[in-house]
Amino acid sequence: QSVVTQPPSVSGAPGQRVTISCTGSSSNIGADYDVHWYQQLPGTAPKLLIYGNINRPSGVPDRFSASKSGASASLTITGLQAEDEADYYCQSFDSTLSGVIFGGGTKLTVL
Amino acid sequence: EIQLVESGGGLVKPGGSLRLSCTASGFTFSSYRMNWVRQAPGKGLEWVSSISTGSDYIYYADSVKGRFTISRDNTQNSLSLQMDSLRVEDTALYYCVRESTHTNYFDPWGQGILVTVYS
Repeated sequence: QSVVTQPPSVSGAPGQRVTISCTGSSSNIGADYDVHWYQQLPGTAPKLLIYGNINRPSGVPDRFSASKSGASASLTITGLQAEDEADYYCQSFDSTLSGVIFGGGTKLTVL
Repeated sequence: EIQLVESGGGLVKPGGSLRLSCTASGFTFSSYRMNWVRQAPGKGLEWVSSISTGSDYIYYADSVKGRFTISRDNTQNSLSLQMDSLRVEDTALYYCVRESTHTNYFDPWGQGILVTVYS
């Protein structure tokens, strides 16, 4: 299992707001390594959504925002749209494993 | 347009070998650390290996250490992953990904290539 924990699933109605958590430890997120977020639409490769804890690449709507505090991070999606239905992954680095780590992924369902 | 295109996947029996390739275009390949990330069917993402710009720093996930070998050819803008002693649990979609020069995020990702190890 992943050293960084995400809820397996979240859901929300169109227009609502959802938050996906990413909980790590003192050897990864808590060691001040950056957290990045990816969106994976069904049948496609992951796409960068947030980098450096809070930054959106150009082209990513401002409905997507993220934060980090201590050993945890979170991704918030406001004004949910049907097209947001996807799997979301957080990514960081772990000093004990000396490698990149991903959260287990969270499936977002738009009701 | 920045592109990463994987090739070389397929079916192989346990204990067999396979070599994946990734051809990069649209950016200065030699300036970026490159990685392989895999995704087993219906599962999450797993980082596999990374290689620095000059091939002097190479890292592997414990799950593939000693069996997989990453390499690159900056003259050909190509990245490779030699996979030996393959196991059923290596079955996955393998993505070639470029790592940011600043804070190790992955962008872009290739479309992925399927490796199936079956007994």
